[in-house]
Amino acid sequence: NAGVTQTPKFQVLKTGQSMTLQCAQDMNHEYMSWYRQDPGMGLRLIHYSVGAGITDQGEVPNGYNVSRSTTEDFPLRLLSAAPSQTSVYFCASSYADRGPYNEQFFGPGTRLTVL
Amino acid sequence: QQQVKQSPQSLIVQKGGISIINCAYENTAFDYFPWYQQFPGKGPALLIAIRPDVSEKKEGRFTISFNKSAKQFSLHIMDSQPGDSATYFCAASGYSTLTFGKGTMLLVSP
Repeated sequence: NAGVTQTPKFQVLKTGQSMTLQCAQDMNHEYMSWYRQDPGMGLRLIHYSVGAGITDQGEVPNGYNVSRSTTEDFPLRLLSAAPSQTSVYFCASSYADRGPYNEQFFGPGTRLTVL
Repeated sequence: QQQVKQSPQSLIVQKGGISIINCAYENTAFDYFPWYQQFPGKGPALLIAIRPDVSEKKEGRFTISFNKSAKQFSLHIMDSQPGDSATYFCAASGYSTLTFGKGTMLLVSP
């Protein structure tokens, strides 16, 4: 199993550009989530999904969109990138029966810089 | 409003010593408290977790102590090793999401 994979590993954007961060898992996990990690701020939840077709907002959703058309994939879209979105983004997945109560498996992260 | 407060922000411990990281929470609906370990350039990984029906959980050199009345929990790393040098995050969950503390950067000196 590849676990949770994220692409790209690094990305540099200009202010106003849009892009999609990809996340995929091959563990048949229904619960998936996106976090951003900033120095001194810990991990903050952006969006999460409890299954295909179901998404919800986390603590810091503004400027980001998500969709969940399949169990395996959970892409994160930046609509119009801003310097404040410079961060390391982590995708995580777990079994859905108890969502966050289960072990969260994190991907390797995407380091995004917005100029 | 920060729902999970973690301290200290950084910690230096001698090899063989005890590392202690503390967390406090505000939301009484939280009922699951995991700790995650993160090495540089990697994603976090689950280290150990506790439910509030027990006051302590031990796995090898790692122990969680939980004080429900004080709404506090802590991670103790016994016989700390240089390989334990990492960032540690406490977290809390009440239903559908996980809330993380800001993290503690631990350095174990040889």
